[in-house]
Amino acid sequence: EVQLVESGGGLVQPGGSLRLSCAASGFTFSSYEMNWVRQAPGKGLEWVSYISSSGSTIYYADSVKGRFTISRDNAKNSLYLQMNSLRAEDTAVYYCAREPDYGPFRFDLWGRGTLVTVSS
Amino acid sequence: SSELTQDPAVSVALGQTVRITCQGDSLRSYYASWYQQKPGQAPVLVIYGKNNRPSGIPDRFSGSSSGNTASLTITGAQAEDEADYYCNSRDSSGNHQVVFGGGTKLTVL
Repeated sequence: EVQLVESGGGLVQPGGSLRLSCAASGFTFSSYEMNWVRQAPGKGLEWVSYISSSGSTIYYADSVKGRFTISRDNAKNSLYLQMNSLRAEDTAVYYCAREPDYGPFRFDLWGRGTLVTVSS
Repeated sequence: SSELTQDPAVSVALGQTVRITCQGDSLRSYYASWYQQKPGQAPVLVIYGKNNRPSGIPDRFSGSSSGNTASLTITGAQAEDEADYYCNSRDSSGNHQVVFGGGTKLTVL
């Protein structure tokens, strides 16, 4: 089955760190660009970060630049998001999302998400 | 970064046609994609490009674009179409930034 499964979410204090993981299966992970997209409780979707299929090209939203680091391990079919200096406004469900081979800036496969709560 | 604007809520009678719109400067240059999200679930891509549906998406979903406005049309809305709908595109600045609309909650009456 083609799927993405996120893990690593939880409760963290402001200023703390957390590392999210996304396990891919059912497709050739190394061939696809990947992204993280988040959704604050009751709010809309917000793009967070992009990584190319090889990992050589990376982009971030201004809201997380300098604090978050995206990475991938194609041998392990896994995507990661290292989140440092967390703020209350980073509280959200974090989804990993695949860009399809028919074009960028869109997402054809999403995980179920993992909830990150930043609170003291 | 550019913004995409959607109406917060739209309603449609069962079996009727509804159009959900998305406005933004980036849409003058780039096509929007559309996602359906039901409560507690991940978004699902329903329309991309000029008017393309991923496999498994019913043909009652269609997309169009004119000027700075993209539209998602559901022809013959079904009860299961009740959901939040989001548009997205790339930022018009030329940087690799992705933008989403604020979402439209569709109610099927």
